[in-house]
Amino acid sequence: DSGVTQTPKHLITATGQRVTLRCSPRSGDLSVYWYQQSLDQGLQFLIQYYNGEERAKGNILERFSAQQFPDLHSELNLSSLELGDSALYFCASSVAGAADTQYFGPGTRLTVL
Amino acid sequence: QKEVEQDPGPLSVPEGAIVSLNCTYSNSAFQYFMWYRQYSRKGPELLMYTYSSGNKEDGRFTAQVDKSSKYISLFIRDSQPSDSATYLCAMSAGAGSYQLTFGKGTKLSVIP
Repeated sequence: DSGVTQTPKHLITATGQRVTLRCSPRSGDLSVYWYQQSLDQGLQFLIQYYNGEERAKGNILERFSAQQFPDLHSELNLSSLELGDSALYFCASSVAGAADTQYFGPGTRLTVL
Repeated sequence: QKEVEQDPGPLSVPEGAIVSLNCTYSNSAFQYFMWYRQYSRKGPELLMYTYSSGNKEDGRFTAQVDKSSKYISLFIRDSQPSDSATYLCAMSAGAGSYQLTFGKGTKLSVIP
């Protein structure tokens, strides 16, 4: 158990809908990263937050957004969902968001029908 | 060319064998190198973390980084059936860019 929690574990929804994925980092970690894992693309970085502020952006679609709250939990919002958004979404956390190790949560499996 | 290349396998070895996994990369800015293990439908679990070139050993696992060749390796000695998983290499540049760039993973099966 990495200490990173993610809810829900599974999410099934329809095209065009909006969903919110939630992540609680390890105790004491200030930085949260979101990754998407699909069969064809592998694990890809989406976005990073550090102590409530956006730190870095990767291959994140404009339909996707995220935020980190004062209690350091983070939410990833996915809207206007398409079939191709079906994937595993992982959250990782690290102490300072610098050159330290990232610990991954168990993931949320999103299925868009 | 993808930034990080990793042979997807699958790789099948008998129990007790030495396993060699590797990745090549193209971005010379990468300085931090990691190996993660991922069991089916689970989150990646950090195995090894290395900064710059050199070797690092932890139990049955040895990580090697050769920055001159842009090549990293993970060796597993005395492989066990419980090592059966997908192994992902990951790397980051540091200096304000700490997000990880992953290889696609190598699926390993250790046969009893």
